[in-house]
Amino acid sequence: EDKVVQSPLSLVVHEGDTVTLNCSYEVTNFRSLLWYKQEKKAPTFLFMLTSSGIEKKSGRLSSILDKKELFSILNITATQTGDSAVYLCAVEVDSNYQLIWGAGTKLIIKP
Amino acid sequence: DGGITQSPKYLFRKEGQNVTLSCEQNLNHDAMYWYRQDPGQGLRLIYYSQIVNDFQKGDIAEGYSVSREKKESFPLTVTSAQKNPTAFYLCASSIGGRGVVRQFFGPGTRLTVL
Repeated sequence: EDKVVQSPLSLVVHEGDTVTLNCSYEVTNFRSLLWYKQEKKAPTFLFMLTSSGIEKKSGRLSSILDKKELFSILNITATQTGDSAVYLCAVEVDSNYQLIWGAGTKLIIKP
Repeated sequence: DGGITQSPKYLFRKEGQNVTLSCEQNLNHDAMYWYRQDPGQGLRLIYYSQIVNDFQKGDIAEGYSVSREKKESFPLTVTSAQKNPTAFYLCASSIGGRGVVRQFFGPGTRLTVL
C-alpha cells in the first residue's frame, strides 16, 4: 500500500529559528512530490519536486528530494510567526491521477 | 479573479439529512477533486473527476455522491449513509492529464452534524 509519512507531527520553535520538516514515502511508480502550506483553510502550493538533489528555493523556504532514500525535506530559515501553519506533503504516483497525502506537520512559531 | 469557490463556509446538518456542498471553479481546469480532512490527518480523497460527465471513487466514497454536469461545477452530496460526516471538506482542481497534478484548493466547507 502506498503511503506518505511526515515528521514531526507537530513542532514549536521561536521566531528566528531554522526548522526542517520531513516527508518519507513508500509508493510504486513515483512521479513527483509536492509541498503545500495550510494556514486555516485552503492549502497553498509551495514546491513540486521530481528530480533528486536539485534544491527548490523560494525566499526563506527550500526543499530537496532524495529518490534513493525516498524522502524530502522542507527547510524554513529565520522563521516568522507568519510561517505558523500545517505543512502538507503529497506524492503523485504514475498509476492514476491521485495524490497520496501525508498527515501534515503542524508548525507553531512563538514570538 | 480566477479561483475556486466553495459554499457554504459552515454547514450544520441533522442526522438523517442529505446535504450538498457546492464547488465552482473558473480556472478552466478539466480535473476536480473532493477531499475530507479530519484533525491530525492528511487529506483523504472522496471522489475525483477528470472530465465532464465522468467521475471515479476515491478512498472513502461510501456515503457520498457527486455529479459533473458542467466543467466548472462539482457538487458533493453527503448522504445519511455517511456515518461520521463531521469534517472539513476541501474541493480542488487541476489542469488535468498526466504529469500535471498541481492542485488548487477552495477555502473549504466545515460540516457539523448535530
